[in-house]
Amino acid sequence: EVQLVESGGGLVQPGGSLRLCCAASGFTFSSAGMTWVRQAPGKGLEWVASIKQRGSDKNYVDSVKGRFTISRDDAKDSLYLQMDSLRAEDTALYYCATGSMWHGNWGQGTMVTVSS
Amino acid sequence: DIQMTQSPSTLSASVGDRVTITCRASQSISTWLAWYQQKPGTAPKLLIYKASSLESGVPSRFSGSGSGTEFTLTISSLQPDDFATYYCHQFNNYPWTFGQGTKVEIK
Repeated sequence: EVQLVESGGGLVQPGGSLRLCCAASGFTFSSAGMTWVRQAPGKGLEWVASIKQRGSDKNYVDSVKGRFTISRDDAKDSLYLQMDSLRAEDTALYYCATGSMWHGNWGQGTMVTVSS
Repeated sequence: DIQMTQSPSTLSASVGDRVTITCRASQSISTWLAWYQQKPGTAPKLLIYKASSLESGVPSRFSGSGSGTEFTLTISSLQPDDFATYYCHQFNNYPWTFGQGTKVEIK
């Protein structure tokens, strides 16, 4: 059974940093593209970033370019999102999901709140 | 960026109804489109990928069609478990984008 477990969310002040982690199991992680999607409270889904196998290609939504970095550690079956210079508008539930195109499996999400 | 516009935003329907949700792309995306279902407090669930391919384990009452700029998700006979919000998602051009969602409510 595929499992994705996100962690690392929390309350952070504007301008601060957080590192999200997604621990994967139940599939061959190194063969999968992976994605972060976020959902602001009461709002719709927003694609944030994707990374292909072996980290060969990374893509970001414009609003996070230069502030967020997606990465992976295939030895640890883990996906990461380093978030710097956080803004109030980054407040959301962050999901990791399998696939760099459509997303067949999702974690339960980790909440990031940016507030002073 | 490619804009994805869903209609309607809210849909009231009864169990057994045939339901159709439309998603329009601001430019052609071929068949690079997926549909997801989301219930309150839970993660989205993939229903359809590449416009018309049914994800494994998804009931056959769900179907997708379309290509280019216009797509539809159809539920042939609405069941109590289907009351949820549905999102389309294009993956033809970065940045990937989602529609704003269609909430299917009980009539």
